[in-house]
Amino acid sequence: DVKVTQSSRYLVKRTGEKVFLECVQDMDHENMFWYRQDPGLGLRLIYFSYDVKMKEKGDIPEGYSVSREKKERFSLILESASTNQTSMYLCASLRTGDNEQFFGPGTRLTVL
Amino acid sequence: RKEVEQDPGPFNVPEGATVAFNCTYSNSASQSFFWYRQDCRKEPKLLMSVYSSGNEDGRFTAQLNRASQYISLLIRDSKLSDSATYLCVYSWGGGKLIFGQGTELSVKP
Repeated sequence: DVKVTQSSRYLVKRTGEKVFLECVQDMDHENMFWYRQDPGLGLRLIYFSYDVKMKEKGDIPEGYSVSREKKERFSLILESASTNQTSMYLCASLRTGDNEQFFGPGTRLTVL
Repeated sequence: RKEVEQDPGPFNVPEGATVAFNCTYSNSASQSFFWYRQDCRKEPKLLMSVYSSGNEDGRFTAQLNRASQYISLLIRDSKLSDSATYLCVYSWGGGKLIFGQGTELSVKP
């Protein structure tokens, strides 16, 4: 059974803090993605990665960075958290061939 | 114009009803199309891919109209367990998916 895990289900941080969101997949997928999901806006792509140490900006990369040091792990970093980054963050990995993305359970981040 | 447009609903239907969702997309270079399902407070999961000739999976039928740039999902004999948000999704290459904001379905007894 395929598995994508995220380090926290719920997280509360203060404005200005540095925040790390971790994602791990056990399917040996090369492509991994970070999204945020907000009411009325759907899922929006923040960053993605095609391979280790490789990253590409998505549609809303401002205020975020990522790290992919190992194939199975893709981290999202909020350098200085702001209240408008309060959101649900979803990580996904891609099975090439049929292009199905498998999502983690999500991290609901609240920035106070 | 949004890349993917969906009626957000909610669609409230009785059990056993047939319900249809439509979705339009703006990128004519789109290659692959999908419907994802998202239960409340859960992650999205693939419901079905959408093929040019249309395809069926049990009570679910998906159709694609490239000329008009829309896809549809038909659910027959709705069950209570079909209550969820249905996300229209397309890909134009590189594994990136473009998501609609979803259509909420509520099936009532």
